Amino acid sequence: DTAVSQTPKYLVTQMGNDKSIKCEQNLGHDTMYWYKQDSKKFLKIMFSYNNKELIINETVPNRFSPKSPDKAHLNLHINSLELGDSAVYFCASSRRRDKETQYFGPGTRLLVL
Amino acid sequence: QKEVEQNSGPLSVPEGAIASLNCTYSDRGSQSFFWYRQYSGKSPELIMFIYSNGDKEDGRFTAQLNKASQYVSLLIRDSQPSDSATYLCAGTYGGATNKLIFGTGTLLAVQP
Repeated sequence: DTAVSQTPKYLVTQMGNDKSIKCEQNLGHDTMYWYKQDSKKFLKIMFSYNNKELIINETVPNRFSPKSPDKAHLNLHINSLELGDSAVYFCASSRRRDKETQYFGPGTRLLVL
Repeated sequence: QKEVEQNSGPLSVPEGAIASLNCTYSDRGSQSFFWYRQYSGKSPELIMFIYSNGDKEDGRFTAQLNKASQYVSLLIRDSQPSDSATYLCAGTYGGATNKLIFGTGTLLAVQP
């Protein structure tokens, strides 16, 4: 009974391809997040949704498009993948949208060749 | 530019010693602070959070917050080899959203 799960765990693909990462949480939380962790281990917020509403949209190329079909799911679609997109992408969730602890999923390791 | 700064380390301490991890932040608007531990190849897991000035203790861990000096620290007493990991400090910005700004992390190595 994993709290925050992501699929796939690993993703190896060619430059120019389009790929999606899925995230699901069974904690009943209202808010979900996407983070990118680069090769230097720097973890940076990309997007956040609260009850299916986009509330954080950082300076991210518009090739990245999040979608939240319901408050338990948050997906990330990436178009025209580039070498620099190689990173670990973490999904997280929190009970509410402010001052709440965020719980992280296991991460999706994306390698673009 | 909102920033959270940490010494990347590695910080090496002998088993049983106190490990002291430090973090500074640039924006006085930051309200809440979190310490996450991340083992190599794993996801960040919460160690402690702190909102108010002063100390907060939980088992072997003590978080300290000094808002005047814009300084957060984590003390780990009786350090164990299993504590060896990267420790990420994060601050929350933006009252209506839970936007976490992370530091680059400090690698802690506890020597047996």
